[in-house]
Amino acid sequence: DAKTTQPPSMDCAEGRAANLPCNHSTISGNEYVYWYRQIHSQGPQYIIHGLKNNETNEMASLIITEDRKSSTLILPHATLRDTAVYYCIVRVGPGRRGGSNYKLTFGKGTLLTVNP
Amino acid sequence: GAGVSQSPRYKVAKRGQDVALRCDPISGHVSLFWYQQALGQGPEFLTYFQNEAQLDKSGLPSDRFFAERPEGSVSTLKIQRTQQEDSAVYLCASSLAQGEAFFGQGTRLTVV
Repeated sequence: DAKTTQPPSMDCAEGRAANLPCNHSTISGNEYVYWYRQIHSQGPQYIIHGLKNNETNEMASLIITEDRKSSTLILPHATLRDTAVYYCIVRVGPGRRGGSNYKLTFGKGTLLTVNP
Repeated sequence: GAGVSQSPRYKVAKRGQDVALRCDPISGHVSLFWYQQALGQGPEFLTYFQNEAQLDKSGLPSDRFFAERPEGSVSTLKIQRTQQEDSAVYLCASSLAQGEAFFGQGTRLTVV
């Protein structure tokens, strides 16, 4: 799986948009960008994933650059409960068979602190 | 239950003791993963099951670590002769064959 680079920490004011960047310059054509987050003392939680088009769900939006070498996770209206470590991961996507290809390779992620 | 359940939540073991950590995946999930998370680090892959078959154990750090899923549902991670460096949070995740992984809250193991 391709490696990712994320800033170690970011701050955001409550109610404002949080924009978390991720670089993945060695991503392969069949690899997706996944985002998970981990709130203190909990297991990681899936947020969103995408291949090349921008994606949006009830939690967040994912913007992937045209060359796919970087992406941004956007939390449109951050709340205190969004304080967590956010992990950007690239791996083969849901359409690819192969069992352990679905294992996730976590880095250190970005600690997002939402301030009141 | 609705989510992945792990027990115990906390385990303190004396160095040299054997421990067993349990994972109850979401019903119907064929894939099951174990991860180890050291303090301040991201989770690291240990092993993967598809139903009862252990298809990847490349992440197990030593032969003291053993995992099983005999009936393709509940899984147990066993650590023999625990050492201080085994202290970590052990996370279990399950998924449908091609779906997203759902994680449990983890078991925090402290070896003293």
